[in-house]
Amino acid sequence: EVQLVESGGGLVQPGRSLKLSCAASGFTFSDYYMAWVRQAPTKGLEWVASISYDGGGTYYRDSVKGRFTISRDNAKSSLYLQMDSLRSEDTATYYCTTAIAAIWSYWGQGVMVTVSS
Amino acid sequence: DIVLTQSPATLSVTPGESVSLSCRASQGISSSIHWYQQKSNESPRLLIKYVSQSISGIPSRFSGSGSGTDFTLIINRVESEDFSVYYCQQSYNLPYTFGAGTKLELK
Repeated sequence: EVQLVESGGGLVQPGRSLKLSCAASGFTFSDYYMAWVRQAPTKGLEWVASISYDGGGTYYRDSVKGRFTISRDNAKSSLYLQMDSLRSEDTATYYCTTAIAAIWSYWGQGVMVTVSS
Repeated sequence: DIVLTQSPATLSVTPGESVSLSCRASQGISSSIHWYQQKSNESPRLLIKYVSQSISGIPSRFSGSGSGTDFTLIINRVESEDFSVYYCQQSYNLPYTFGAGTKLELK
């Protein structure tokens, strides 16, 4: 059974940093691109970033480019999102997803990030 | 960025009815459109990929159609477990984008 378990969320002040983690199991992690998708409270879904099988390719939406860094450790079957210079508009539930051709088949339960003073 | 416009925003139906949910793209996206269901307080779930390709474990009452810029998710004979929000998503171009969603609610 595929499992994706996010962690690392919480309340953080504007301008500070937070690192999200996603532990994957039940599939061969290195066979999949991975991605982070977020959802602000009561809002729709928004793609944040994607990473290739070996981490050699990374892709970001413009609003997080230069502030967020997606990475992975295939030996640990883990995905990460380093979030720096956080803004109030980054407040959302962040989902870890498997990605094949930018189609997100499996999703974690999500982790909440609140950016507020 | 490719904008996906979903309509209607809310659809009120009675169980047993069949419904069509629309998704219109701001430019041609070939067949790179996918549909997700999100129940209240749950993670999204992939329903349909590439317009009409079925996904393992998804009931056969869910189907998709369309081409170019206009796409439709069809739910044949809605069941009580189907009341949720449905999103379309394009994988044609970065940034990947979603529609704003259609909420299917009980009439």
